[in-house]
Amino acid sequence: GEDVEQSLFLSVREGDSSVINCTYTDSSSTYLYWYKQEPGAGLQLLTYIFSNMDMKQDQRLTVLLNKKDKHLSLRIADTQTGDSAIYFCAEKGSQGNLIFGKGTKLSVKP
Amino acid sequence: ETGVTQTPRHLVMGMTNKKSLKCEQHLGHNAMYWYKQSAKKPLELMFVYSLEERVENNSVPSRFSPECPNSSHLFLHLHTLQPEDSALYLCASSQVAGIGSSSYNSPLHFGNGTRLTVT
Repeated sequence: GEDVEQSLFLSVREGDSSVINCTYTDSSSTYLYWYKQEPGAGLQLLTYIFSNMDMKQDQRLTVLLNKKDKHLSLRIADTQTGDSAIYFCAEKGSQGNLIFGKGTKLSVKP
Repeated sequence: ETGVTQTPRHLVMGMTNKKSLKCEQHLGHNAMYWYKQSAKKPLELMFVYSLEERVENNSVPSRFSPECPNSSHLFLHLHTLQPEDSALYLCASSQVAGIGSSSYNSPLHFGNGTRLTVT
């Protein structure tokens, strides 16, 4: 079946890099996504990567994809307190919808 | 105006009430979704309307009833809910091109959700 796994919590100090990891099961997924959810808000698309890419960089965000191991990671450079949120990894499901992980709560300490 | 708007933001209802959640998207998308977000659980897909067709999800109880009158509006009608239905209900939209396994689905854009409490 389709499944996405993430660790539930990550705590870093302000200014450090954060790395959030995700594993997925569907090797045919064409796109993989990272969403951010701040308290009281919906999910905001951060970035996505096409399955034929290994890496995508967008300002402070770097996405790495290891298709062989079905492993996706999101690196946030110079993490700020405003980055505190829940980060969701998602893959495209067979119905065209997204299959989400449970989310990783990132806490940034000053 | 934000891309996907949900109303109300908060809703408290008793188990015998009937209420509706509303979602409107201003992105010109042709697919809309309802997701349920409960504490410590992955987001659960409830319903999909894609290219004006509803994709059934048999695991959703009949006390939840979706309605999609056009590609810009989506409703979730609620009746005789249970306390365990308390959750954040998120609406999303996307653009779908093609059909079946070769279809392309743009990233989902979410609303801010309706926080539902069933007492």
